[in-house]
Amino acid sequence: TQLLEQSPQFLSIQEGENLTVYCNSSSVFSSLQWYRQEPGEGPVLLVTVVTGGEVKKLKRLTFQFGDARKDSSLHITAAQPGDTGLYLCAGSHGAGSYQLTFGKGTKLSVIP
Amino acid sequence: GAGVSQSPSNKVTEKGKDVELRCDPISGHTALYWYRQSLGQGLEFLIYFQGNSAPDKSGLPSDRFSAERTGGSVSTLTIQRTQQEDSAVYLCASSYGQGRQYFGPGTRLTVL
Repeated sequence: TQLLEQSPQFLSIQEGENLTVYCNSSSVFSSLQWYRQEPGEGPVLLVTVVTGGEVKKLKRLTFQFGDARKDSSLHITAAQPGDTGLYLCAGSHGAGSYQLTFGKGTKLSVIP
Repeated sequence: GAGVSQSPSNKVTEKGKDVELRCDPISGHTALYWYRQSLGQGLEFLIYFQGNSAPDKSGLPSDRFSAERTGGSVSTLTIQRTQQEDSAVYLCASSYGQGRQYFGPGTRLTVL
């Protein structure tokens, strides 16, 4: 059972365009994390959101946690080639829970 | 400081052979995790070590998989009698307590 659905699975856009990636679940998570993974490397944590409705900004990246804590989105403004990579969301059940449930990821390609 | 390191970076083996994958966590990190990332799939939790506590082996897919963590530091993931479906990238992560997980670059295992 895939508990975290990410969409789209693939995304290819031109440099300077905006995009949004979605992470949806029927389960409630105590927190949700977003990672970026580049080829040949492990995932790197971008952000953790813990409060329903929370919005966090990291330069051109905006992360939102749904009010019901079942979904999240990642919006990138004016995408750059350096944003290319695999974006993964991961949810945690319970405070301090070490077990993360990962989505399958969104593979983003930003074309110069 | 040094990050999480894994060796080998690539491993090609024949079906039925045993393989050992090594993980060196960040110095001082008390927790160590193993994940499997198959093509087109998200990260699948395999096993978790925390200090001297009994490991959480709930994610190991079969009894052919086992892992050890010696001296609270280096860990080895062993796969016995490898099968083609074991082909994947095996990622190790470490954390201080149940804090942020830092991932290694992974070992790409190919079973012919």
